[in-house]
Amino acid sequence: AQSVTQPDIHITVSEGASLELRCNYSYGATPYLFWYVQSPGQGLQLLLKYFSGDTLVQGIKGFEAEFKRSQSSFNLRKPSVHWSDAAEYFCAVYSGGGADGLTFGKGTHLIIQP
Amino acid sequence: EPEVTQTPSHQVTQMGQEVILRCVPISNHLYFYWYRQILGQKVEFLVSFYNNEISEKSEIFDDQFSVERPDGSNFTLKIRSTKLEDSAMYFCASSVGKNQPQHFGDGTRLSIL
Repeated sequence: AQSVTQPDIHITVSEGASLELRCNYSYGATPYLFWYVQSPGQGLQLLLKYFSGDTLVQGIKGFEAEFKRSQSSFNLRKPSVHWSDAAEYFCAVYSGGGADGLTFGKGTHLIIQP
Repeated sequence: EPEVTQTPSHQVTQMGQEVILRCVPISNHLYFYWYRQILGQKVEFLVSFYNNEISEKSEIFDDQFSVERPDGSNFTLKIRSTKLEDSAMYFCASSVGKNQPQHFGDGTRLSIL
């Protein structure tokens, strides 16, 4: 079965600094990969997705992610964070085929320092 | 932008009671899902629903749970004889089709006393 690992439980970044959140997946074939963001009291908002093609994908709110097959990674990046980016970030994988449900990582809590 | 809506936002129920969580998926979506997130843990898939029947369910989704699409807009999750460990945030999601991005509602926080 597929699994998703987000090794960082918490990350603290200064406002205006760059950000990289790590995600590793375990799956035999090329999965469909997603990043979701959850602000306090809110649901999960889709930031971006990777299905195939260009390994660098652009998302909303200035985020991007790069799929690296050799490292089984799909790291999320942003060149300059804003205080409003403080939230919980979840990486998820969807193996397709007969499986419908997304498999989520445990999430990374992003804290923005002024 | 169309969104998935869930009601209520917070449900408090006595252990042993039945609860129904309600969701209105995005109107042109065909696949519907329920997930749960126990406090401090990851989001877990419960069940998917397509063409008026369960498409897939996880090990968590046992006989205590059921889903229904009672009309053309609502999608419900019923939990019978609730237990303390059912306390969690329950998310509804929908997608246009299989393999497509899933759009989530804001969730219902279920508290079992």
